[in-house]
Amino acid sequence: SAVISQKPSRDICQRGTSLTIQCQVDSQVTMMFWYRQQPGQSLTLIATANQGSEATYESGFVIDKFPISRPNLTFSTLTVSNMSPEDSSIYLCSVQGYYGYTFGSGTRLTVV
Amino acid sequence: QKEVEQNSGPLSVPEGAIASLNCTYSDRGSQSFFWYRQYSGKSPELIMFIYSNGDKEDGRFTAQLNKASQYVSLLIRDSQPSDSATYLCAVRSGSQGNLIFGKGTKLSVKP
Repeated sequence: SAVISQKPSRDICQRGTSLTIQCQVDSQVTMMFWYRQQPGQSLTLIATANQGSEATYESGFVIDKFPISRPNLTFSTLTVSNMSPEDSSIYLCSVQGYYGYTFGSGTRLTVV
Repeated sequence: QKEVEQNSGPLSVPEGAIASLNCTYSDRGSQSFFWYRQYSGKSPELIMFIYSNGDKEDGRFTAQLNKASQYVSLLIRDSQPSDSATYLCAVRSGSQGNLIFGKGTKLSVKP
């Protein structure tokens, strides 16, 4: 199954700033998924990133707040913009492989 | 709205017992079902997936699927303290191919 390198693993950010999270996959994949996991909660899909096209966002998530880049079939970034304390969460990228979906190690974001 | 429901627990079982985790889903057209284990502070790791009605066994783990009842379960035999984690049930969504997750069941295995 694919191996995903996600960074940063954690960060503490000031409100009003932005953070860009990167995911690098060791093989080419068509779609990459970005999830958010709020404290004590399950995973919620933010958007699906397909190489060469605009990302598709789920209800409640907008491009201005969570812009996504997908420049090639092995790499994607998610930016959390104009952060507020409510954005404090774990952010995870994921890809589908033959044996199921693999996740990056996650980015634990704290906004102060 | 496609939903996946799980009992949040916590579910507590003694070491060596069978732990039974249950999940229901709302989309009758769903075809692929996954169980993930998530330790505190870690990302989810895949335990099993199941596509067909019936049972699928992998070591101490057995996944059971009943599409007519829209029900999927995970049995953990000979539970160990290291199995203590949150177990997430996930269903593949047809629209984007992403997973829809339940809220997870927290399992505690007592020595």
